[in-house]
Amino acid sequence: GDSVTQTEGPVTVSESESLIINCTYSATSIAYPNLFWYVRYPGEGLQLLLKVITAGQKGSSRGFEATYNKETTSFHLQKASVQESDSAVYYCALARGSALGRLHFGAGTQLIVIP
Amino acid sequence: EAAVTQSPRNKVTVTGGNVTLSCRQTNSHNYMYWYRQDTGHGLRLIHYSYGAGNLQIGDVPDGYKATRTTQEDFFLLLELASPSQTSLYFCASSDAQNTLYFGAGTRLSVL
Repeated sequence: GDSVTQTEGPVTVSESESLIINCTYSATSIAYPNLFWYVRYPGEGLQLLLKVITAGQKGSSRGFEATYNKETTSFHLQKASVQESDSAVYYCALARGSALGRLHFGAGTQLIVIP
Repeated sequence: EAAVTQSPRNKVTVTGGNVTLSCRQTNSHNYMYWYRQDTGHGLRLIHYSYGAGNLQIGDVPDGYKATRTTQEDFFLLLELASPSQTSLYFCASSDAQNTLYFGAGTRLSVL
């Protein structure tokens, strides 16, 4: 079946340092899945951070970037300089393009940014 | 403001108890979902719905029923709660671009 594996947390980073959260996927029945990063801030629901539906393309939002790499089946999340307000749980996910809402999520990575 | 609202936010029940989790969305979306999240696991889909009166089985449906009474309201029912159903439950709706909009979650403890 389809699955997503991401960096096990918590990940602790000092403010202004760079960040990478690894995400790799296995999509046995989908040639080109849609890939997502969602973020959950304390006390809130998950919200979409970025989405890429085309292999080779890069998505970006709020200073975060992720590139859809079909060769390595990866979709790593990066940020050059984190802020304390980035402290949250980050989820990588994949879906068939036609499967509305049928996302397969990774376990989530808690990010702690130390001021 | 469009939103997905879940209630209650926290619930404690006993084994064998009857629990209903509620979700209301004001996004005017047709699609709604119930997920559960457990430590070490990603969110897993329990049930989903394409519209009022419609119900589809997700990936982990055992022990759960759901009902979609209106476009706005989607309920998750645990008729005989078990400790294995202790979890964090999320409701979501989605737009046509497959972006999910989540509620803040309901933390359920079954003692």
